[in-house]
Amino acid sequence: KAGVTQTPRYLIKTRGQQVTLSCSPISGHRSVSWYQQTPGQGLQFLFEYFSETQRNKGNFPGRFSGRQFSNSRSEMNVSTLELGDSALYLCASSRAGARTEAFFGQGTRLTVV
Amino acid sequence: TQLLEQSPQFLSIQEGENLTVYCNSSSVFSSLQWYRQEPGEGPVLLVTVVTGGEVKKLKRLTFQFGDARKDSSLHITAAQPGDTGLYLCAGAQAGGAQKLVFGQGTRLTINP
Repeated sequence: KAGVTQTPRYLIKTRGQQVTLSCSPISGHRSVSWYQQTPGQGLQFLFEYFSETQRNKGNFPGRFSGRQFSNSRSEMNVSTLELGDSALYLCASSRAGARTEAFFGQGTRLTVV
Repeated sequence: TQLLEQSPQFLSIQEGENLTVYCNSSSVFSSLQWYRQEPGEGPVLLVTVVTGGEVKKLKRLTFQFGDARKDSSLHITAAQPGDTGLYLCAGAQAGGAQKLVFGQGTRLTINP
């Protein structure tokens, strides 16, 4: 059974640009969550999608957005990139519900220069 | 805002020693998950605990969920260099949405 796949693995962008990251969840999983990991703040929740609807959102500015497609694949977009957006962006998939386990992809390392 | 305090943040011990990592909160979680993360990789799920007082064992690792479902611990017996890594606890909110609150992590180094 394939795990969670995130693309690309590494990305370098310039301040002011925008970026789109992709996540393919485990087959059969309908919930996809996104997290930002930085050395200073640790892992912070960005948002969660279930059946193409955003169910929950963390405390991030509106420059961070996402969407989910009918096949459960998800994308997140960051517009007007800032240096502080440099981080490891992680996607997690789960079947459904708060008690189900979350499985993470390898992440996308975004560097903003 | 739900917070998880994880301690210690850094731990360096010799091979063969025992250790315990703690994860504490003032909030109740519906479940708590422990992950291990290698540099540049995503967290790998080790265990999920759901019931207050629950104890789960994974070889030399023992996980416990507090009776009130506010805290958890990870105990490693006879640590080995292969146990080196970042250990993360994460609490799940009650309700339908999948949102995990993470502790800051424990950077564990086992010296041969």
